[in-house]
Amino acid sequence: EAQVTQNPRYLITVTGKKLTVTCSQNMNHEYMSWYRQDPGLGLRQIYYSMNVEVTDKGDVPEGYKVSRKEKRNFPLILESPSPNQTSLYFCASSLFLGSPLHFGNGTRLTVT
Amino acid sequence: SQQGEEDPQALSIQEGENATMNCSYKTSINNLQWYRQNSGRGLVHLILIRSNEREKHSGRLRVTLDTSKKSSSLLITASRAADTASYFCATDAASQGNLIFGKGTKLSVKP
Repeated sequence: EAQVTQNPRYLITVTGKKLTVTCSQNMNHEYMSWYRQDPGLGLRQIYYSMNVEVTDKGDVPEGYKVSRKEKRNFPLILESPSPNQTSLYFCASSLFLGSPLHFGNGTRLTVT
Repeated sequence: SQQGEEDPQALSIQEGENATMNCSYKTSINNLQWYRQNSGRGLVHLILIRSNEREKHSGRLRVTLDTSKKSSSLLITASRAADTASYFCATDAASQGNLIFGKGTKLSVKP
């Protein structure tokens, strides 16, 4: 089944403890992206990748890192999480930039 | 950078009625897309309309695009309780190509 898989679904952590949210797609999509969703703010793009080894900042990249070493994986790294990164995170992929996005089921992160 | 803005923020209707949501954007676009999100879940793509198209249909969905007014509308006909969800428009600015989402319209369809 074609899908975008994010893990974990829920994560509670403490300030400063490094974490990684994994994202994998099995559709051979070139384009991948991370979004965060907060009440009243909609979806905001964190980072995106047009292809392997090509990543770029979105609207809210501060405090996040990504890598794209393989086409299928696009992990989101929080080196030193802070409470303002408490949010619902979505990974998405598409065939190419601008084509319809396929979303993962989300990761709800709480940083205390 | 917010590109698309949906209107209204919330809409409550009875089953069987039509629901219309609007999206306005600021810069020239290549295409505009509509997505649906059930509470807390991932967004699901509904329909894409290109900048050279004026209207598109998919089942009970009808999307219009007016590039001169920089606006789009999504019409859901004969709504059902299962249509209850948030609906987002997303635009890719012609100059950058990245999809930028609006804040969404929360639709509630009462049985």
